[in-house]
Amino acid sequence: EPEVTQTPSHQVTQMGQEVILRCVPISNHLYFYWYRQILGQKVEFLVSFYNNEISEKSEIFDDQFSVERPDGSNFTLKIRSTKLEDSAMYFCASSDLAEFTDTQYFGPGTRLTVL
Amino acid sequence: EDKVVQSPLSLVVHEGDTVTLNCSYEVTNFRSLLWYKQEKKAPTFLFMLTSSGIEKKSGRLSSILDKKELFSILNITATQTGDSAVYLCAVPPNTGNQFYFGTGTSLTVIP
Repeated sequence: EPEVTQTPSHQVTQMGQEVILRCVPISNHLYFYWYRQILGQKVEFLVSFYNNEISEKSEIFDDQFSVERPDGSNFTLKIRSTKLEDSAMYFCASSDLAEFTDTQYFGPGTRLTVL
Repeated sequence: EDKVVQSPLSLVVHEGDTVTLNCSYEVTNFRSLLWYKQEKKAPTFLFMLTSSGIEKKSGRLSSILDKKELFSILNITATQTGDSAVYLCAVPPNTGNQFYFGTGTSLTVIP
């Protein structure tokens, strides 16, 4: 069964460093998303991406964040200068809008730890 | 502001018990409500509900939506230890494809 994959599974970085989290969405899906979940808190929407551009973003997704689809398969989230409060689990998701379904399929997540 | 509220926040039951998890929402121009199960990592999809009163079933799990009273319930019968997880309810807003997640219900099933 097709699935969303993410790498790395765990990333440790120093405050102020740049990180890139990578995702490979399900191949025929058209919409891509990033969410984060701070430990013990609820899943929060960051950004959605369609047709090579951001379609929606939350207030969390400030200028420190960017997304890119550098090729036909990868979808990346970049945090330019990490802060301690960026420590969280980051989930990528994708959905097949062609079927007009709202179901989003999540990847296994990347745990980001900022020291 | 759109809201999704789940109750209870946590629940501890014994194997074999039946549980009912609740999700209420305030979303303008409702489209659908989704249930996810989150174990150690990523949420995994359980159900999508769009129509009121139609029960969706998958094995021991079932869910139903009440669009008049703006809530959904997720039932798990004959619970097993493998059902231990956080159950998340999510509702897309009127426009766009982001989801608003509830805080989840943490279910622990004791042998």
